[in-house]
Amino acid sequence: SQTIHQWPATLVQPVGSPLSLECTVEGTSNPNLYWYRQAAGRGLQLLFYSVGIGQISSEVPQNLSASRPQDRQFILSSKKLLLSDSGFYLCAWAVNTEAFFGQGTRLTVV
Amino acid sequence: QKEVEQNSGPLSVPEGAIASLNCTYSDRGSQSFFWYRQYSGKSPELIMFIYSNGDKEDGRFTAQLNKASQYVSLLIRDSQPSDSATYLCAVPPGGGADGLTFGKGTHLIIQP
Repeated sequence: SQTIHQWPATLVQPVGSPLSLECTVEGTSNPNLYWYRQAAGRGLQLLFYSVGIGQISSEVPQNLSASRPQDRQFILSSKKLLLSDSGFYLCAWAVNTEAFFGQGTRLTVV
Repeated sequence: QKEVEQNSGPLSVPEGAIASLNCTYSDRGSQSFFWYRQYSGKSPELIMFIYSNGDKEDGRFTAQLNKASQYVSLLIRDSQPSDSATYLCAVPPGGGADGLTFGKGTHLIIQP
């Protein structure tokens, strides 16, 4: 069966520091992969999606970037975090249109 | 701009009653619809999906779709305290590869 791993579960970072969140999927090949963010009191916002290695589409212009160096690995990065980057970051993979989420990373920028 | 609208609640329902959660969407071309449950501090989990007009039942859950009215609902029968969570409605905006558009969710509280 397919599983998705996302780490770390929680992260506290100072403003201006870099960020790297990693997500890996097991049990499937060539999955569609997604990064979502859920800010306090707001809905899930799609940040990036990828349909294959090196293929990244950005939904919202911002301080973040994504990369897909391997088929089942998706990385979310930032060179300099802002306070507004705080939120709950979720990696997801999809088969057809059904999306399945990792455990999420709660990022607090201080 | 594809939009998915939900009443944020909280919706309070006594234990054992039917909880009714509603969602409207703006894209008349949407073909599939998803309901996710999210417990506080946890990631969303898929509980139901529906593609065709009418009802789809899975245990205590029933999804209802009316494409003409652009309306999808989720009914939870015999509500349990463990059903207390935020329920998210989601729609794929295009061909599906470009992710789901989520509503902001309805916070459901089941009162023992």
